[in-house]
Amino acid sequence: QVRLVQSAAEVKKPGASVKVSCKASGYTFTNYPIHWVRQAPGQRPEWMGWINGGNHHIKYSQNFQGRLTITWDTSANTAYLELSSLTYEDTAVYYCARVRSYPYFDSWGQGTLVTVSS
Amino acid sequence: DIQMTQSPSTLSASVGDRVTITCRASQSISTWLAWYQQKPGTAPKLLIYKASTLETGVPSRFSGSGSGTEFTLTISGLQPDDFASYYCQQYDHCCSFGQGTKLEIK
Repeated sequence: QVRLVQSAAEVKKPGASVKVSCKASGYTFTNYPIHWVRQAPGQRPEWMGWINGGNHHIKYSQNFQGRLTITWDTSANTAYLELSSLTYEDTAVYYCARVRSYPYFDSWGQGTLVTVSS
Repeated sequence: DIQMTQSPSTLSASVGDRVTITCRASQSISTWLAWYQQKPGTAPKLLIYKASTLETGVPSRFSGSGSGTEFTLTISGLQPDDFASYYCQQYDHCCSFGQGTKLEIK
């Protein structure tokens, strides 16, 4: 059974950074890319980027270039998202999601709420 | 970037109804389109991919069609569990989502 378990909610001040983890189980971690998608309150999901654990290829949405870092710890079956220079507009639920073949998302983490507040 | 536009934004219907949600892409995406269902406080759930392929375990009352720039999601015989928000997502040039359609009980 595929499971993606994310880290707990975070509260950060403007200008800070946040790191969210996504631990995978139930499948061979390096065979399937992990994508990150965020959803601000009442808004549509927004794609952020992805990592291929097999070849460590990474791609970021241009909307986050320079602020977003996605990494991968194969030994821990865990992917990470780090977002820096946070603003109030970064308040959202951040999801990791697995890609089975083409980039549609067949399994999702439970989401991590990141709140940016002074 | 490819823009995705759904209509309607809100849809009121009754149990047993047949409803259709439309998704339009700003340029042709062939059939590289997925549909998701989302309930409050939970992650989206994959319903359909490649415009019309039903994900394993999804009831057959859900169906998808379309290609190019216009797509539809149809739910035939609404069940109480179907009242939720629905999003389309293109993955021709990864990735972007529609703004969502909230399906409400009439």
